[in-house]
Amino acid sequence: EAGVAQSPRYKIIEKRQSVAFWCNPISGHATLYWYQQILGQGPKLLIQFQNNGVVDDSQLPKDRFSAERLKGVDSTLKIQPAKLEDSAVYLCASSMGPGTGRADEQYFGPGTRLTVT
Amino acid sequence: KNQVEQSPQSLIILEGKNCTLQCNYTVSPFSNLRWYKQDTGRGPVSLTIMTFSENTKSNGRYTATLDADTKQSSLHITASQLSDSASYICVVSAYQTGANNLFFGTGTRLTVIP
Repeated sequence: EAGVAQSPRYKIIEKRQSVAFWCNPISGHATLYWYQQILGQGPKLLIQFQNNGVVDDSQLPKDRFSAERLKGVDSTLKIQPAKLEDSAVYLCASSMGPGTGRADEQYFGPGTRLTVT
Repeated sequence: KNQVEQSPQSLIILEGKNCTLQCNYTVSPFSNLRWYKQDTGRGPVSLTIMTFSENTKSNGRYTATLDADTKQSSLHITASQLSDSASYICVVSAYQTGANNLFFGTGTRLTVIP
């Protein structure tokens, strides 16, 4: 079974530039998550999709971050304009979704390491 | 407030030795607790999952314990190998209105040296 795919794996940009990350979840997984993981910290949930609808985006800095999952499959996360403090690993995860019980396991992709200079 | 705290923050051990990592949580209502292993430059991979009624769960050389009364969990690694060098993250899930909300610890960075 193919895992969660993310691209690019690494990205270096200057502050105030724009950047976009792509995620393809495991086939059949209804729920998709984007996390931000700053060095030395645990992942922080940015946004959660259920199919193509947003379930939780309470911690997404909406003035500069946006995400979409138009067809309910793959997703993009965009930062515009980037700030130095956005340097982090951006992880995408997917799970089967509601109805699978309390053990709805999330499977993580390899992440995109973003460096803002 | 829902929180997950891990200790120690980092740990260095000799190859072949055992070690124990700690996780304390205040998440409610508790659904399950997972331990993830995150290699450098990779996403987290699930090692074990325990629900309220489970006290211990093993996965090879990894053994996790859960005390739901004291809200503590531990991950014990036996006969460590160089490949065990990674961050170990404790994640507690709260199940509400049909959705799982995950609360992540900051992780313990384990380094195994020859």
